[in-house]
Amino acid sequence: GAGVSQSPSNKVTEKGKDVELRCDPISGHTALYWYRQSLGQGLEFLIYFQGNSAPDKSGLPSDRFSAERTGGSVSTLTIQRTQQEDSAVYLCASSLVPSGLAGFKGDEQYFGPGTRLTVT
Amino acid sequence: GENVEQHPSTLSVQEGDSAVIKCTYSDSASNYFPWYKQELGKGPQLIIDIRSNVGEKKDQRIAVTLNKTAKHFSLHITETQPEDSAVYFCAALMGRDNQGGKLIFGQGTELSVKP
Repeated sequence: GAGVSQSPSNKVTEKGKDVELRCDPISGHTALYWYRQSLGQGLEFLIYFQGNSAPDKSGLPSDRFSAERTGGSVSTLTIQRTQQEDSAVYLCASSLVPSGLAGFKGDEQYFGPGTRLTVT
Repeated sequence: GENVEQHPSTLSVQEGDSAVIKCTYSDSASNYFPWYKQELGKGPQLIIDIRSNVGEKKDQRIAVTLNKTAKHFSLHITETQPEDSAVYFCAALMGRDNQGGKLIFGQGTELSVKP
């Protein structure tokens, strides 16, 4: 079946502009996660959704970053007033149920291809 | 704080040899440890995972071991092939009270398998 999809695949923007990144999770997956991967680095957690609510926003680096999820499906990550240090690959993942529910299978996270953001 | 350390950062092996990547984690409450393979320009692909109620899991040429006491886990790839060349990431789940949690990733290991 279809995997996680993200759009756009590449985005180049000028410093100070706002950008919106979109994630379409696997159909039926209730949990959705955003991560950021800077050049040559590991993945950094940003935010996690269960349904439309966000129990964990602890990874958002500043108040310029926000995310929403509507209808329990598509999510958008918005970065306002972009800075050069925001340049990275933004990855979205989804799981059938939230990762870590004790003894429950189906909490594996599956990643999309990412959006490469370049701020000039 | 929450931390996952991964070693080595680069690993070069000859085709047919074995490769081992090691990770340590800080949160003793972690109960789920996945491994991902990332090829250039693609998102990470889940290749194997292990939960805290077992010590070892195998899937064909790939195996993962977990030592909860020492808080470390390892990925073993046997009979390596050139197509195994990629960046491999370990991760540990950080979460509380079964509310679902975030994955904390290691820094990655770039594996190169030479024909």
